[in-house]
Formats: sequence, C-alpha cells, structure tokens
Amino acid sequence: EAQVTQNPRYLITVTGKKLTVTCSQNMNHEYMSWYRQDPGLGLRQIYYSMNVEVTDKGDVPEGYKVSRKEKRNFPLILESPSPNQTSLYFCASSSGRYNSPLHFGNGTRLTVT
Amino acid sequence: QKEVEQDPGPLSVPEGAIVSLNCTYSNSAFQYFMWYRQYSRKGPELLMYTYSSGNKEDGRFTAQVDKSSKYISLFIRDSQPSDSATYLCAMSARGSGSARQLTFGSGTQLTVLP
Repeated sequence: EAQVTQNPRYLITVTGKKLTVTCSQNMNHEYMSWYRQDPGLGLRQIYYSMNVEVTDKGDVPEGYKVSRKEKRNFPLILESPSPNQTSLYFCASSSGRYNSPLHFGNGTRLTVT
Repeated sequence: QKEVEQDPGPLSVPEGAIVSLNCTYSNSAFQYFMWYRQYSRKGPELLMYTYSSGNKEDGRFTAQVDKSSKYISLFIRDSQPSDSATYLCAMSARGSGSARQLTFGSGTQLTVLP
C-alpha cells in the first residue's frame, strides 16, 4: 500500500530535550515536506526537500532541522524543543510531476512542556 | 492579513443538505486551486484540483474558482455523514501545482448529521 509513515504518533517531551520525528514514504517520491498544523493557522511549511541531499526552508523553519540522506526518509529534528513547538506535525510527499497530489502521513502530535 | 482566508466553522448540516465551503485569497498570482479533506486523526487527502477559473465536477463535489473575485468554493451535494471532516483549501502560483509553494487555508470543520 502506498503510504507516508510517521513515527511516533504522539510524543510528550520537556523543553530542551532533543527529539527526532521520522518520516518514510514507499512511493519513490522525489519531493518531501514537513508541515505543522495549528488551530486558526492552518498548515504551515517547515522544510522541504526536492531530492536526496537537497533541502530548503519553508515558511516557519526556526528551531527545526531536516536531512535527506535517502530518497524514502525525511526526518524532522528538534535540537532544543520549546513549548511554542507544541503542534500537530505532518510529513508529506509528492512525485512533483504535473497535477501530482501531496500524500500526507497521519501526523505526529507533539507536546513540549 | 493572511494570504488565504477560510471560515473555520464549525458547520453543522443535516444529511442530504447542499454544503458550500469557501476561501478568499489576496495573491492574484495564484492559479492552481485545490481542496483537501482531513478526517479526524488523519492527514489531509486531495479531493479536488482546479486550474484557473471555472468549475470542475466530480460526483457529488463541485469546485468553483472565480479569479476576478479571488474566491473559490467547494459544493457538496446530497451530503452524507461520511463527509464529516475538515476541508482545507490550498493554492499555488507555480506550475504543476507546485507542492513547495502551496498556501493552505486554516480549514472548515464540517459535521453532517444523520
């Protein structure tokens, strides 16, 4: 089954404790992206990657890191999480071809206390 | 002012009703318009895709784009309880509905009551 898999689904952590949210897709997609979803603000892009070893900032990159060492994986790293990073995070992928949709994972709900 | 404005609702309708969901936008460069549906505890999934102005129909769903008014709509006919979800509009100025430049609305939460 074609899918984007994120782990974990739920995560509670404390301020300053480094964490990684993993994302993997099995569709051989070149394009991958991370979004955060907050009430009233919708989906905002954090980082995206056009291909292996190619990453770029989205609209809200501060406090986040990403890497794209393999085509299928695109982990999101929070080096020193803060409470304002409490949010619902989505990983998405796309072939990048004309009219190709974004395929989203089922989300990671992160709480930073 | 946000680039894309969407009434968050919540919107509650009886089964069988016609539902109208709307977004307005300020960037006249937007030319690719999408509607995503997001069920509770799930990621969004693409529902409709429209290029430039006009209508597009897919079963019970119709997407309309009025670029002169910077206004897009999604109509759901004969609404069903299974349509209960959050609906997000999204738009892009680049070719291929460039995923990296999608701007999303904040979503409208819809409940269809049996």
